[in-house]
Amino acid sequence: GENVEQHPSTLSVQEGDSAVIKCTYSDSASNYFPWYKQELGKRPQLIIDIRSNVGEKKDQRIAVTLNKTAKHFSLHITETQPEDSAVYFCAGNAGNMLTFGGGTRLMVKP
Amino acid sequence: NAGVTQTPKFQVLKTGQSMTLQCAQDMNHNSMYWYRQDPGMGLRLIYYSASEGTTDKGEVPNGYNVSRLNKREFSLRLESAAPSQTSVYFCASNGWQGDEQYFGPGTRLTVT
Repeated sequence: GENVEQHPSTLSVQEGDSAVIKCTYSDSASNYFPWYKQELGKRPQLIIDIRSNVGEKKDQRIAVTLNKTAKHFSLHITETQPEDSAVYFCAGNAGNMLTFGGGTRLMVKP
Repeated sequence: NAGVTQTPKFQVLKTGQSMTLQCAQDMNHNSMYWYRQDPGMGLRLIYYSASEGTTDKGEVPNGYNVSRLNKREFSLRLESAAPSQTSVYFCASNGWQGDEQYFGPGTRLTVT
């Protein structure tokens, strides 16, 4: 099955700086890669996703890049704000299931 | 439009007790999922239902059973709870596999 690894597990940045979170996947058949944000005590919510026919996708301050050859994808957050502080999860699909990475705790210091 | 709802929000069980977690969605989604999230960990799939009338095992199905009661509802049952099942349980749904999954608010379960 699919194996998704996520790095780093914690990330601390100064407000206004950029943050990058990286994930690798094992199943070359995977074709859908979502990113979820989870605030403390809340449910995960989708912030951006990318499909394997696209190399990059951007939505305001958030972008995701995908390298199918190397089997890795990354989340980029620019101009970070304190409200970006949360746990971020990447995921990849393998057949009918999503496999999640272990999460990255992002802390944005004012 | 309530999205995905779960009951109960919190539950404390003694070892060996049984209970059913309920999940319902009002988005006319075909697929539904049950995940568990242990402290500081990612989400692990327990069971899923690709469509009404079908269920399949996920990564960690042992100790659990599921029922897809109809298109809206997907329940998770613990027949004999164990402390290792202490976790937060999330239900999710999507219109088709390979699409955004919408999560419920979660059930925080403690087994003593």
